[in-house]
Amino acid sequence: EAQVTQNPRYLITVTGKKLTVTCSQNMNHEYMSWYRQDPGLGLRQIYYSMNVEVTDKGDVPEGYKVSRKEKRNFPLILESPSPNQTSLYFCASSRHQGELFFGEGSRLTVL
Amino acid sequence: ELKVEQNPLFLSMQEGKNYTIYCNYSTTSDRLYWYRQDPGKSLESLFVLLSNGAVKQEGRLMASLDTKARLSTLHITAAVHDLSATYFCAVGGRAGYALNFGKGTSLLVTP
Repeated sequence: EAQVTQNPRYLITVTGKKLTVTCSQNMNHEYMSWYRQDPGLGLRQIYYSMNVEVTDKGDVPEGYKVSRKEKRNFPLILESPSPNQTSLYFCASSRHQGELFFGEGSRLTVL
Repeated sequence: ELKVEQNPLFLSMQEGKNYTIYCNYSTTSDRLYWYRQDPGKSLESLFVLLSNGAVKQEGRLMASLDTKARLSTLHITAAVHDLSATYFCAVGGRAGYALNFGKGTSLLVTP
């Protein structure tokens, strides 16, 4: 089954404790991206990657890091989480000019 | 910067009625996507519109794209309760991959 898998789905953490949200896709898509969804703000892109070792900032990259060492994986790293990073995070992948396929989402709370 | 505006942001409509959701965007693009999101769920692709004048229909939903007017519409015909969800449009940006999302239209269909 074609899918984008994110983990963890739910996480409560404390300010400053490094965390990683993993994302994996099995569709051999070149493009992967991370979005955050906040009430009233819609989806905002954090980082995206057009292929292995090629990443670029989206609209709200501050406080986040990513890496793309393998085509299927695109982890999102929060080196020192802060409460304003409490949000619902979505990973997505696609072919060139194709529709995005989204993961199930990861709800993060930073205390 | 590519801006995407949807209206209305909230819509309450009676079953059996028709209505249209509008998506305007600020710079040239020939790719537009519509997604649906149920509460607490991920985003599901509804339509992919890749050329001026493109029209696609699925059940009670029909989407169209006018690239010259930078406008897409999502028309709902004879609404039913199952259509209650949040609908997002997304416009293709740089490099053929990135998508910029509107803030979403929260639709509630009532008896």
